Amino acid sequence: QSALTQPPSVSGSPGQSVTISCTGTSSDVGGYNYVSWFQQHPGKAPKLMIYEVSKRPSGVPDRFSGSKSGNTASLTVSGLQAEDEAVYYCSSSAGSNNRVFGGGTKLTVL
Amino acid sequence: EVQLVESGGGLVQPGGSLRLSCADSGLFFSSYEMHWVRQATGKGLEWVSGIGTAGDAYYAGYLKGRFTTSRENAKNSLYLQMNSLRVGDTAVYYCARAPGRYGAFDMWGQGTMVTVSS
Repeated sequence: QSALTQPPSVSGSPGQSVTISCTGTSSDVGGYNYVSWFQQHPGKAPKLMIYEVSKRPSGVPDRFSGSKSGNTASLTVSGLQAEDEAVYYCSSSAGSNNRVFGGGTKLTVL
Repeated sequence: EVQLVESGGGLVQPGGSLRLSCADSGLFFSSYEMHWVRQATGKGLEWVSGIGTAGDAYYAGYLKGRFTTSRENAKNSLYLQMNSLRVGDTAVYYCARAPGRYGAFDMWGQGTMVTVSS
């Protein structure tokens, strides 16, 4: 199973919005509404930010939102804050016995 | 607060074996699917294996039978037996829980480092 495709980096100024894409195939992203997004700060474990394409776990700010169109999912971070600077990973189910991650996107807050 | 704590990492020679453990301090371990995810230094996340509540395990294709995942619900514990280790298996190994076969990884451990080197 190939990794999902994410841009290596995105950036934005405080208060702006950025969108990170995650492109897969009809066998993963396009075939299931089970796309998740994770935030990882250096030296820390990943943290779930979005699940089932667009749902936010309790405690995650509503500045984070997710969507999907065809084989591409997207994470949008609105009202950028300094603490949003991190690496973001998408993940998708690829069948009942398989999961796949994206390569990660470094978000820089300028 | 519920926590997942991995242990068992360390330095092992190529071809060797290692067994990782993940202890869950929560009350509902048996209700969750559990997974192993690894991350080589400076690299991205890579899914390794998952196991259902009844103990049915499944694996990433690249492992080719070298790893075995098991769980002991009575001890709130998850295990990863790694055999025929290769230099390329060097990574931080995380355990993570998921509510259901398609559920998102909603809780992660802090990770345990596995180094395969001669």
